[in-house]
Amino acid sequence: DAGVTQSPTHLIKTRGQHVTLRCSPISGHKSVSWYQQVLGQGPQFIFQYYEKEERGRGNFPDRFSARQFPNYSSELNVNALLLGDSALYLCASSRGTGGNNEQFFGPGTRLTVL
Amino acid sequence: AQSVTQLDSQVPVFEEAPVELRCNYSSSVSVYLFWYVQYPNQGLQLLLKYLSGSTLVKGINGFEAEFNKSQTSFHLRKPSVHISDTAEYFCAVSGPRGDDKIIFGKGTRLHILP
Repeated sequence: DAGVTQSPTHLIKTRGQHVTLRCSPISGHKSVSWYQQVLGQGPQFIFQYYEKEERGRGNFPDRFSARQFPNYSSELNVNALLLGDSALYLCASSRGTGGNNEQFFGPGTRLTVL
Repeated sequence: AQSVTQLDSQVPVFEEAPVELRCNYSSSVSVYLFWYVQYPNQGLQLLLKYLSGSTLVKGINGFEAEFNKSQTSFHLRKPSVHISDTAEYFCAVSGPRGDDKIIFGKGTRLHILP
């Protein structure tokens, strides 16, 4: 079975631009979570979606938004990019919500903001 | 709220020597604990998890961890490391509720010396 896939792999944007990152979960998984991993740090939780509804949101500004589609794939959108948004963005899928549901991570999208 | 502290940012160890990566957590409720590994330019892979039951948890690649509630620790150990174990290791904690998110530590970089 295919794992979690993310696109694009790498992305370079300039300050003020908008970016959309995409994630396809493992087949049968209904929950998708997004994380931001700044260089040298652990992943920071951004959003969790389950059955197309937002189930959790981390401490990120409103410039960050996400949605989940009927096929359980997901998009993360970031508006008005700042230099500090440069990071590896990780998507993880799981069967359900809650800490006892193992999350499977994709390879990430590396975003560079110039 | 939960939090995780990884006490060492880098751990150098000779090949075939044992290693322990330290992790302490804080939480006011029962917790689930995880160790993830991140190889260069890749996403995160689950090494092992503690949900309940036996406090000694065995994972993939010969790693194990012991949950110690009194010391609020979940240290990761391996009796003999290999060059292929060179990676970043993240300890993480989550709670039992459906909307509990995973909180990651800052990571420990394991350097295997020849």
